[in-house]
Amino acid sequence: GNSVTQMEGPVTLSEEAFLTINCTYTATGYPSLFWYVQYPGEGLQLLLKATKADDKGSNKGFEATYRKETTSFHLEKGSVQVSDSAVYFCALSLTNTGNQFYFGTGTSLTVIP
Amino acid sequence: GAVVSQHPSRVICKSGTSVKIECRSLDFQATTMFWYRQFPKQSLMLMATSNEGSKATYEQGVEKDKFLINHASLTLSTLTVTSAHPEDSSFYICSARAGGPNQPQHFGDGTRLSIL
Repeated sequence: GNSVTQMEGPVTLSEEAFLTINCTYTATGYPSLFWYVQYPGEGLQLLLKATKADDKGSNKGFEATYRKETTSFHLEKGSVQVSDSAVYFCALSLTNTGNQFYFGTGTSLTVIP
Repeated sequence: GAVVSQHPSRVICKSGTSVKIECRSLDFQATTMFWYRQFPKQSLMLMATSNEGSKATYEQGVEKDKFLINHASLTLSTLTVTSAHPEDSSFYICSARAGGPNQPQHFGDGTRLSIL
C-alpha cells in the first residue's frame, strides 16, 4: 500500500539551530513528494515538493531531496527561526490513485528564542 | 492565485444540530474537491472526494448519511455534518483541484468544529 512515516515530535529547537525532520514512504508506483506546513489554527500550505527521483525541493530556506534508493524525503533547514514554529506534514501523491494524498502524522516544531 | 476559502473558520454548536461548511475556489474552477478530517495530533484523513455535478465518493468507514457533500458548482462544495455529536468535533479541511489528477491540490484554512 501507500503510506508515509514521519519522525515523531514534538521537536523543540533554539533559534538558529539546524533542523532535520525525517520522512520515509512506501508507494506502489512513482509518487510525487511534498512537505506541507500548518501554522496554528490554519490550513495546510505547500512548503515544497519534488516530482521525481533526485529532485530537490526548496523554499524559505527549507530543502528536501527525493531519494528513491532510500525512499526518503527528509526536510532540512540550516537555521530555524521562531516563525518556523508549526506542524510539518510529509505527503505523497500518485497519479494512479487520482492524485489522492497520503499524509504522515505530522511533526510539531517549536523554536524558542 | 489558486486560493481556496473555507467558511466558517470556527463553529461551536449544541449536540444534535446540523452544521454546514463551505469550500470555495476563488480564482479557479475546481472540478474536484476533497474533504479531510484531522483529529488532534493526528494526520489528515481523506473523508470523501467530490466531482462537480456528481455524487461524492466516500472513503471506507465514513458515513455518507452523516457527512453530506454537495458539489453543485465548479467553485463551491459543501460538507454538512448532520445531527452532530461531540465525537464529530474535529478540524475539517477541504482542498480543490482544477483539471485532472496531475494538477495540484490547493487547501483551505480549515474549520474547527466543536460540538458541546
